Amino acid sequence: EIVMTQSPLSLPVTPGEPASISCRSSRSLLHSDGFNYLDWYLQKPGQSPQLLVYLGSNRASGVPDRFRGSGSGTDFTLKITRVEAEDIGVYYCMQALETPVAFGPGTRLEIK
Amino acid sequence: EVELVESGGGLVQPGRSLRLSCTASGFIFNDHAMHWVRQRPGKGLEWVSGISWNSDNIGYAESVKGRFTISRDNAKNSVFLQMNNLRLEDTAVYYCAKDNGGTGWYFFEDWGQGILVIVSS
Repeated sequence: EIVMTQSPLSLPVTPGEPASISCRSSRSLLHSDGFNYLDWYLQKPGQSPQLLVYLGSNRASGVPDRFRGSGSGTDFTLKITRVEAEDIGVYYCMQALETPVAFGPGTRLEIK
Repeated sequence: EVELVESGGGLVQPGRSLRLSCTASGFIFNDHAMHWVRQRPGKGLEWVSGISWNSDNIGYAESVKGRFTISRDNAKNSVFLQMNNLRLEDTAVYYCAKDNGGTGWYFFEDWGQGILVIVSS
């Protein structure tokens, strides 16, 4: 099965500053259809997870353009160009290429 | 507006069974695969099981294989998780999630509010 790792696991950020989260998979997530089956989710405190980015680099509906997903194969990055207070929570990457679906351990973003 | 409402959670003794339900509205249910994802107290997200639109494609996490069964009733816009032989480590909030795709797994574009299952003697 595919194993997902993330770094860092904790990310203190000053509002207005950028932030970057790395996600790595134990096998390539690039499908023959040309898409990377890697998604990003944010779980805000006390809430259900919400989709941020799908298939590697596509922002979900309603997601601010300060969130940007990139990468291919086994290495992916979620960048927030300017962190806002409402961005706090735990960020998870997830692979859906193979069963079982696997989430990364999560990166907790906190405001300094 | 998409709505996913889980029900059926609660307190159950180890070794007993529980059946979770997720009732969907606001979209064409039989166009989409559905999943169950859980979160143990203070821990991260763990995919539990998924089912394609027509139930032809079903998958389970190793941790629940042989004990949990996912099913769906497209006429009732519902997906179910039958959980047998429950263990203490099955204690978690269980989320129902809607996949963008119908046959395979793509991404989980909508989530329910979650339902708590506590396994304890």
